[in-house]
Amino acid sequence: KAGVTQTPRYLIKTRGQQVTLSCSPISGHRSVSWYQQTPGQGLQFLFEYFSETQRNKGNFPGRFSGRQFSNSRSEMNVSTLELGDSALYLCASSPRTDAYEQYFGPGTRLTVT
Amino acid sequence: GDSVTQMEGPVTLSEEAFLTINCTYTATGYPSLFWYVQYPGEGLQLLLKATKADDKGSNKGFEATYRKETTSFHLEKGSVQVSDSAVYFCALGDTGFQKLVFGTGTRLLVSP
Repeated sequence: KAGVTQTPRYLIKTRGQQVTLSCSPISGHRSVSWYQQTPGQGLQFLFEYFSETQRNKGNFPGRFSGRQFSNSRSEMNVSTLELGDSALYLCASSPRTDAYEQYFGPGTRLTVT
Repeated sequence: GDSVTQMEGPVTLSEEAFLTINCTYTATGYPSLFWYVQYPGEGLQLLLKATKADDKGSNKGFEATYRKETTSFHLEKGSVQVSDSAVYFCALGDTGFQKLVFGTGTRLLVSP
């Protein structure tokens, strides 16, 4: 079975721009979660989707948003980019309805200049 | 809220040494517990899991036992290899919130 895929793998953007990251979960997984990883803050939860519904959201500003499509693929969007948004963004999918036991993709490395 | 505390790194060992990485947690209820490993430039890989007290998760020579009395889930391996060098994350399933709560990660460096 193919793993979680994320595109693009690397991205360089300028402050003030917006960006969209994409995630394709493992086949059959309906839960998709997003995390931000930085050296200073570690792994922080962004949001989780299940069957196109956002069930939980982390403590991030409204510039961070996401959605899930009927085929379980998910996108996250960051508007008005700030330097502090530079991070590795990880997507994970889960076969469980409670979203535990998550399987991660390789991440998208976003650099904001 | 729920939280996970891991020992500070880096942990530096010689090949074939015994490994312990400590992990304790604070949670309401009885969460599922996980160890993830992250190699340089990659995402996180699920290493092992335990879903209830006294469960022992194991994979690739690594083991961890869910200890409810001490709220711990320490990672152990009897003989580490250079290829085990990575960052290890302890995590719990945040009950009712459909998310994982991670520790800060422990970097393991194994020398030949």
